[in-house]
Amino acid sequence: AQSVTQLDSQVPVFEEAPVELRCNYSSSVSVYLFWYVQYPNQGLQLLLKYLSGSTLVESINGFEAEFNKSQTSFHLRKPSVHISDTAEYFCAGTSGTYKYIFGTGTRLKVLA
Amino acid sequence: ETGVTQTPRHLVMGMTNKKSLKCEQHLGHNAMYWYKQSAKKPLELMFVYNFKEQTENNSVPSRFSPECPNSSHLFLHLHTLQPEDSALYLCASSWGQGPDTIYFGEGSWLTVV
Repeated sequence: AQSVTQLDSQVPVFEEAPVELRCNYSSSVSVYLFWYVQYPNQGLQLLLKYLSGSTLVESINGFEAEFNKSQTSFHLRKPSVHISDTAEYFCAGTSGTYKYIFGTGTRLKVLA
Repeated sequence: ETGVTQTPRHLVMGMTNKKSLKCEQHLGHNAMYWYKQSAKKPLELMFVYNFKEQTENNSVPSRFSPECPNSSHLFLHLHTLQPEDSALYLCASSWGQGPDTIYFGEGSWLTVV
């Protein structure tokens, strides 16, 4: 079955500490992967994506993710988080033109 | 400002009411989507339209009725809903050709009383 798995439902971390949000995908999901962020009372916003090329992709606000085919993973990392990074993060992959498979989300809570 | 606009942002309706959610995208995309987001559940794809044609109906109950008059507008007509239909309904759009980024609106919060 096609799936995207986010193992951690909640991740608390202190401000300025590093964070990793885990995402694994089933091998039947095409290797086009995305991370979205959802702030309270808002829709999902694209954070970064991997379509092809370099396996390390970066966002404008300091997040990065690495596509790892052998481990079927696309973990999201940030070396130093801010209070404003508190949000829910969704990993997603495509298995076809219209089918976007989403994970269940990871709620990142940054503590002062 | 998002390129996908949803109205209303909040809606409270009784189980016997008929209401509609509206979505408009300003990105020139060809595909539009309705997703349902409930607490502690994965995002659920409801409907997909590509070039105004419905290409996906993910076993959605008939009390939800989509309408796509053109590639820029998408509606979700609601009637005789149940309390468990209370959720955030997200509209999205994409080019619809090949793997591509999907862009979301800010959602319509629906409460069924």
